[in-house]
Amino acid sequence: NAGVMQNPRHLVRRRGQEARLRCSPMKGHSHVYWYRQLPEEGLKFMVYLQKENIIDESGMPKERFSAEFPKEGPSILRIQQVVRGDSAAYFCASSQRQGPAGANVLTFGAGSRLTVL
Amino acid sequence: QQQVKQSPQSLIVQKGGISIINCAYENTAFDYFPWYQQFPGKGPALLIAIRPDVSEKKEGRFTISFNKSAKQFSLHIMDSQPGDSATYFCAASMGAGSYQLTFGKGTKLSVIP
Repeated sequence: NAGVMQNPRHLVRRRGQEARLRCSPMKGHSHVYWYRQLPEEGLKFMVYLQKENIIDESGMPKERFSAEFPKEGPSILRIQQVVRGDSAAYFCASSQRQGPAGANVLTFGAGSRLTVL
Repeated sequence: QQQVKQSPQSLIVQKGGISIINCAYENTAFDYFPWYQQFPGKGPALLIAIRPDVSEKKEGRFTISFNKSAKQFSLHIMDSQPGDSATYFCAASMGAGSYQLTFGKGTKLSVIP
């Protein structure tokens, strides 16, 4: 089991460009979550998706950020017109199920580190 | 804003010693407290977790102590080993089934021989 796969691992963009980060969940996992870790900060929840559905985007910045998890292919976090403040590590996690009973164990990927010049 | 405060920011411990990392939270609605371990270049991995109905949980050399009245919890690593060197994050959520974890800022642990 390859775990949660994220790519690219490192991405450099200039201000105003677009960044696309991809995440393939663990085999058998249908729930995907994106977290962002700013320098010197803890991870912060951004968005929760299932196939073709955004379930909770309460942690997403209101502008320039979007996420999708299409029927086929990886989940994508897209950042348009990047600014220096977007420089961070973006972690994707997946889980097998979401429900109030039992623990929802999130398995994290290794992260994608975005640097905006 | 819901916060989890973690200390220290970094910690150096001699091999065989006890590593202690502390966290404090504000939101009394939190009722699930996991600890994550992250090695360089890897994602955070669940290490151990506790719910507030118990004051302590032990798994091998790792123990969580929980003080509900003080809204504090801590991770103790007994007989620390160089292989334990990693960044440790405490977290909290409203329910074990929740996907919205509130993380501390992390503690970088170095265990020296």
